[in-house]
Amino acid sequence: DTGVSQNPRHKITKRGQNVTFRCDPISEHNRLYWYRQTLGQGPEFLTYFQNEAQLEKSRLLSDRFSAERPKGSFSTLEIQRTEQGDSAMYLCASSFIGTDSQETQYFGPGTRLLVL
Amino acid sequence: DQQVKQNSPSLSVQEGRISILNCDYTNSMFDYFLWYKKYPAEGPTFLISISSIKDKNEDGRFTVFLNKSAKHLSLHIVPSQPGDSAVYFCAAATGERAGSYQLTFGKGTKLSVIP
Repeated sequence: DTGVSQNPRHKITKRGQNVTFRCDPISEHNRLYWYRQTLGQGPEFLTYFQNEAQLEKSRLLSDRFSAERPKGSFSTLEIQRTEQGDSAMYLCASSFIGTDSQETQYFGPGTRLLVL
Repeated sequence: DQQVKQNSPSLSVQEGRISILNCDYTNSMFDYFLWYKKYPAEGPTFLISISSIKDKNEDGRFTVFLNKSAKHLSLHIVPSQPGDSAVYFCAAATGERAGSYQLTFGKGTKLSVIP
């Protein structure tokens, strides 16, 4: 399977604990995105990387959230001191720029986080 | 303020008929639009896209129409099949024009195709 992969698929944690999610993009894609989706809403942008550089962050990304893409390949998203409001599906997407200069983002299966 | 709106939370269509899903947007900087399909407990799957310089794009049973003056786009599925039952998200991007590549999504429309 050469699609975007995310691990773990599910995570249950207690409030106050730290959690880390991993995303492996499609191999030739140089852009990687993180989104969050809550029930009844569409995905909301969190942050994105071009290669290893983090170029844009949403105001949704509080100080408790940090994302890295150390070698421009896989990425991790860490949430420190989790709160119940962090419960959501965390989606990763990767993309390339096509010949028409338009970009299509391809999503992974997501990591569903439940904070108790 | 929602910049991308899908005003119909749900839609039911008979198998073999046409499904039409609608999407409105407010940001005139959007220049690229995409439709994604999502099954429960899975990530969104890319279906079809359209650039703002076009008014129609077709791929098999899926056609997307863009009306820039009305800031409206629609996805047509013909003929509809039971396997099309899913939540459909409309998404928009400003791209290089605004130096931002994030997608802005609507809240989705749940399509049910009845056999």
